[in-house]
Amino acid sequence: GDSVTQMEGPVTLSEEAFLTINCTYTATGYPSLFWYVQYPGEGLQLLLKATKADDKGSNKGFEATYRKETTSFHLEKGSVQVSDSAVYFCALSASSNTGKLIFGQGTTLQVKP
Amino acid sequence: EAGVAQSPRYKIIEKRQSVAFWCNPISGHATLYWYQQILGQGPKLLIQFQNNGVVDDSQLPKDRFSAERLKGVDSTLKIQPAKLEDSAVYLCASSLLLGPETQYFGPGTRLLVL
Repeated sequence: GDSVTQMEGPVTLSEEAFLTINCTYTATGYPSLFWYVQYPGEGLQLLLKATKADDKGSNKGFEATYRKETTSFHLEKGSVQVSDSAVYFCALSASSNTGKLIFGQGTTLQVKP
Repeated sequence: EAGVAQSPRYKIIEKRQSVAFWCNPISGHATLYWYQQILGQGPKLLIQFQNNGVVDDSQLPKDRFSAERLKGVDSTLKIQPAKLEDSAVYLCASSLLLGPETQYFGPGTRLLVL
């Protein structure tokens, strides 16, 4: 069945460091891909998404490119801030189009000043 | 616009007791989802509604879990009887339409089964 695998955390970085969180997926057809973020004490919220191969999603300085050839959707940010400390979830929505999300296990990011 | 509302925020029960969670989606959102998030894992879909009809309940443990969305607006999720392994955060989400739309999540209900 469809699945998402994320790099294990926690990831600890200093402020202004470069961030990469790896995400790979297994799915039939052409899923849509998402990154959701959960800040401390808050609910899950969409960070960015891409709906077809080679699309780049971007928001708040974060970017991720839908790579069908490597079945990946890695999250990157050039310069992280303390306020980026959160749990990041990669997810896919299968091409069957019901909208059901399949999530990875989440990666905790801690940014130190 | 008001977000997805859930209640209660926290619940502690003993095993074999019953519990119910309530969700009110964003106004006008036709699709409603219930997810279970066990500590250290990503959310897993339990059931999905489109208006008042069920789209997907393939991962709902139907011997103990039930859910309804009778008027196509708010929804309740019930567990009866609860087991220790049901300890988790129960998340409700809604989206405007069916499909790969942005889902808006509520704050969740944290359930502890003792």
